[in-house]
Amino acid sequence: KNEVEQSPQNLTAQEGEFITINCSYSVGISALHWLQQHPGGGIVSLFMLSSGKKKHGRLIATINIQEKHSSLHITASHPRDSAVYICAVIIQGAQKLVFGQGTRLTINP
Amino acid sequence: GAGVSQTPSNKVTEKGKYVELRCDPISGHTALYWYRQSLGQGPEFLIYFQGTGAADDSGLPNDRFFAVRPEGSVSTLKIQRTERGDSAVYLCASSPGPYVNYGYTFGSGTRLTVV
Repeated sequence: KNEVEQSPQNLTAQEGEFITINCSYSVGISALHWLQQHPGGGIVSLFMLSSGKKKHGRLIATINIQEKHSSLHITASHPRDSAVYICAVIIQGAQKLVFGQGTRLTINP
Repeated sequence: GAGVSQTPSNKVTEKGKYVELRCDPISGHTALYWYRQSLGQGPEFLIYFQGTGAADDSGLPNDRFFAVRPEGSVSTLKIQRTERGDSAVYLCASSPGPYVNYGYTFGSGTRLTVV
């Protein structure tokens, strides 16, 4: 079983819909990242969380440390949000990121 | 530089050949990471440098893989006797320091294809 599990693996929605991507992890962590990857490989860091909630524009990320769960929400989704969204954790005591397998999001106009 | 630069962006090589992949981190970033991403998967950790030294190389899959960072800036990932299973996107990331509250900046990756 992977240390970081994301769901769903693939998500297709219509423009304007509210999107939720989930991430569960099984290890103690120092922080959790949400990342966005577009075709061609470039990865952009969206959020780094160690507790609570963060918001940036139409993106909201939450984390529940006790339940070892995080969610990424996109409000008023747009076709330009289409990308792979990846959850990654920093395991306590380590300096490396452990990644989930990613969620491929497609927003249709 | 302004971002993390990886060269080449694409590399096609024959099975059995030697390849070098280069990562030029953001100036002043002391931490540098190499990850490997196979098709349809999330990236997997290979090696982490803090300065010139490899602080954690536990992700290197076997002794065909080696990485150096001789001056604490540019890093080179070296793969000997390449195999078709080495085909993947190799990602480099850098960070201002070794602490968890520093962010990471990723390069665009090198797509390696072994034929």
